[in-house]
Amino acid sequence: SQTIHQWPATLVQPVGSPLSLECTVEGTSNPNLYWYRQAAGRGLQLLFYSVGIGQISSEVPQNLSASRPQDRQFILSSKKLLLSDSGFYLCAWSVGTASFNSPLHFGNGTRLTVT
Amino acid sequence: KNEVEQSPQNLTAQEGEFITINCSYSVGISALHWLQQHPGGGIVSLFMLSSGKKKHGRLIATINIQEKHSSLHITASHPRDSAVYICAVALNNDMRFGAGTRLTVKP
Repeated sequence: SQTIHQWPATLVQPVGSPLSLECTVEGTSNPNLYWYRQAAGRGLQLLFYSVGIGQISSEVPQNLSASRPQDRQFILSSKKLLLSDSGFYLCAWSVGTASFNSPLHFGNGTRLTVT
Repeated sequence: KNEVEQSPQNLTAQEGEFITINCSYSVGISALHWLQQHPGGGIVSLFMLSSGKKKHGRLIATINIQEKHSSLHITASHPRDSAVYICAVALNNDMRFGAGTRLTVKP
């Protein structure tokens, strides 16, 4: 069966520090991978998605970046965190040729607090 | 105006009641998703549909493409259904999310 691992579950980082959140998927090949953010009191926002190794599409310009070094690994990074980067970050995967027309499977999320 | 509007924002029901959550959207979509977010933050995908109706247990989702409207129904609601329900629409290369409906089912 397919599983998705996302870590860490919670993270407190000072402003200006770097960030690396990792997500891995097991039990499926060539998944579509996504990073979402949910800021406090706000709805979900798609940050990045990837349909294959090295292929990253960004939906929101900001100081975050994503990489997909392996088929089932998706990494969210920042060189210098801002206070506004605080939020709940969710990784998700789906399969199929159409990126957004397949059921989504979410990780448990990382709650990031930038102080 | 948001591209995806959900109503109501908050809903409190007694156990056993029939629940309806509505979602209206203003853009052309290829699919619509209903998601459930539990208090701890975890999100579960309930339905993905592009036409008609889907049923899973006590949950029913319908969509009317012409009217750009979808509904999520919960029959015989239970306190464990308490969660935030989120409507999301799939565009060509993007997704748009509603603000969510917070449902509380009291025993």
